[in-house]
Amino acid sequence: LAKTTQPISMDSYEGQEVNITCSHNNIATNDYITWYQQFPSQGPRFIIQGYKTKVTNEVASLFIPADRKSSTLSLPRVSLSDTAVYYCLVGDSAGRRALTFGSGTRLQVQP
Amino acid sequence: KAGVTQTPRYLIKTRGQQVTLSCSPISGHRSVSWYQQTPGQGLQFLFEYFSETQRNKGNFPGRFSGRQFSNSRSEMNVSTLELGDSALYLCASSLAPGRAEQYFGPGTRLTVT
Repeated sequence: LAKTTQPISMDSYEGQEVNITCSHNNIATNDYITWYQQFPSQGPRFIIQGYKTKVTNEVASLFIPADRKSSTLSLPRVSLSDTAVYYCLVGDSAGRRALTFGSGTRLQVQP
Repeated sequence: KAGVTQTPRYLIKTRGQQVTLSCSPISGHRSVSWYQQTPGQGLQFLFEYFSETQRNKGNFPGRFSGRQFSNSRSEMNVSTLELGDSALYLCASSLAPGRAEQYFGPGTRLTVT
């Protein structure tokens, strides 16, 4: 089971780009990387998923190097509403394991 | 399309009682997972159901149980409540089991006194 490690907290200012890196040294060949966002007293929200290289959607970009031992979630031009906890997860594409949430990264965006 | 709904949203129970929480997944989603979230332990997986069968189970005591109905709606039950069971209980649905893209409900906030 691939364990993920990410910073406990990060601070940023409105308008800046934020990059949150997650380490997953023991990722298996069939595993994919997923990121979720959670606001206080709400359920997590799916942000993005990737297997390798780069994935981009309307919310964020996900960069995964060739060795796949880490990944970086990039949030362009953050706003105050991006203040949340961000979770990096490694999932099994065959669905044999349930998703495991780590401690997440608490992002605080200042005006 | 309506999102995942959970009832009730808030619940206060006394130690030793039991509680049943309900989850209605997004229409068309057949997989339902349950999670417990506490400040100390974070988000912990409880169990996952698909086609009325439990596919995965987390590391929780037997007091925690669940089931899924033919319409994919799910319930979870906690018997003999303990103070430590106070938590936000989250339900998530997805099209199929093991899918990375899960849709979470607002949760049920359970307080045990």
